[in-house]
Amino acid sequence: QTVVTQEPSLTVSPGGTVTLTCASSTGAVTSGYYPNWFQQKPGQAPRALIHNTNNKYSWTPARFSGSLLGGKAALTLSGVQPEDEAEYYCLLNCGGPWVFGGGTKLTVL
Amino acid sequence: QVQLQESGPGLVKPSGTLSLACAVAGESVSSNYWWSWVRQPPGRGLECIGQILHTGSTNYNPSLKSRVTISVDKSKNQFSLNLSSVTAADTAVYYCARNFDTWGQGTMVTVSS
Repeated sequence: QTVVTQEPSLTVSPGGTVTLTCASSTGAVTSGYYPNWFQQKPGQAPRALIHNTNNKYSWTPARFSGSLLGGKAALTLSGVQPEDEAEYYCLLNCGGPWVFGGGTKLTVL
Repeated sequence: QVQLQESGPGLVKPSGTLSLACAVAGESVSSNYWWSWVRQPPGRGLECIGQILHTGSTNYNPSLKSRVTISVDKSKNQFSLNLSSVTAADTAVYYCARNFDTWGQGTMVTVSS
């Protein structure tokens, strides 16, 4: 089964910008993988942020954006807020089955 | 606004079958969405178990496929998960979701004798 890899942890200062990435063991991630991004805080269910690479939901803050970058899916947070500290997961459609990445723990410090 | 609520036993014996239901409010399970089950072992990441479309078409995680059945009950407006031959490794919070955009709160299931 495809392995989806994310940075285990990242640290960013308040007001800064950070990019999280999502790679596939089978090769470059394209829009055909329909990348999704989720935010999860302790004790809570995941909250969807981005679908189909770069599409936001009505509830997604404007500072979150999705893209493809260097063969990976990417989630960029611009103007990071303290409340953005959380675990972030990507999700890829790998030719049928959906596969989550291992998650990135984002610390705002 | 659609809401999803998981229900089922919080404790299952090893080698038994884990059975959960996801009640859907504010949307019909007959609508053109994928209805999904996702789990998260304590302190670990998310794992997609599988999905079902209202037509009955399913998509299962290859590593779980031999033990998983997902079905839709249109009369109750819910969908269900059955996971057979469970072991301690199946202990997790189980979430149901619609198209991955809307999630239930999750339910903890422990596999133990």
